[in-house]
Amino acid sequence: ILNVEQSPQSLHVQEGDSTNFTCSFPSSNFYALHWYRWETAKSPEALFVMTLNGDEKKKGRISATLNTKEGYSYLYIKGSQPEDSATYLCAFGSNTGKLIFGQGTTLQVKP
Amino acid sequence: NAGVTQTPKFRILKIGQSMTLQCTQDMNHNYMYWYRQDPGMGLKLIYYSVGAGITDKGEVPNGYNVSRSTTEDFPLRLELAAPSQTSVYFCASSYRQGNSNQPQHFGDGTRLSIL
Repeated sequence: ILNVEQSPQSLHVQEGDSTNFTCSFPSSNFYALHWYRWETAKSPEALFVMTLNGDEKKKGRISATLNTKEGYSYLYIKGSQPEDSATYLCAFGSNTGKLIFGQGTTLQVKP
Repeated sequence: NAGVTQTPKFRILKIGQSMTLQCTQDMNHNYMYWYRQDPGMGLKLIYYSVGAGITDKGEVPNGYNVSRSTTEDFPLRLELAAPSQTSVYFCASSYRQGNSNQPQHFGDGTRLSIL
């Protein structure tokens, strides 16, 4: 059974703080690593899809890195804002087209 | 484009009742998925489909059935509702996904309670 682990489970930061969280995944049979942002009462929205070792993606203040050899990805948020409060999901993709999701990291940014 | 549309948004069922959760997408996506989300558990795949006429089981298929007669629609059927099926259900779709390199697009979810 493939396991995708995210840490921490939850995080509280002050507005303006920078933060990061981790996604660990199997290093074998890797095809893609997805990050999704999930706001309360909404549906998950794709942030990044990364496929190559060493990939770095950026969208505004949010960026992500990928290490497929050791099986981890980091998501960074620079200068957190209250609107960044959400659950961030990562998902491991193999060659089947299916994704295995982690349990998510819930971020709360206090003004 | 409406994207992925799920109906209903909320439903309460009695134990043993049946119902169908509807999902339709207007993006001409080949792949469609049904997930359930339980507190602290992330998203678990129930069933998925790689195209019309083709469906396959995910991690947690017991108690559910699906069909895919058209590209657009992917309904999820609960035949004999049980309290363990109380959950939030999400439908998603993506463009052809052989290497998992396409983002999934999610519906707004259906909150289902079995009492």
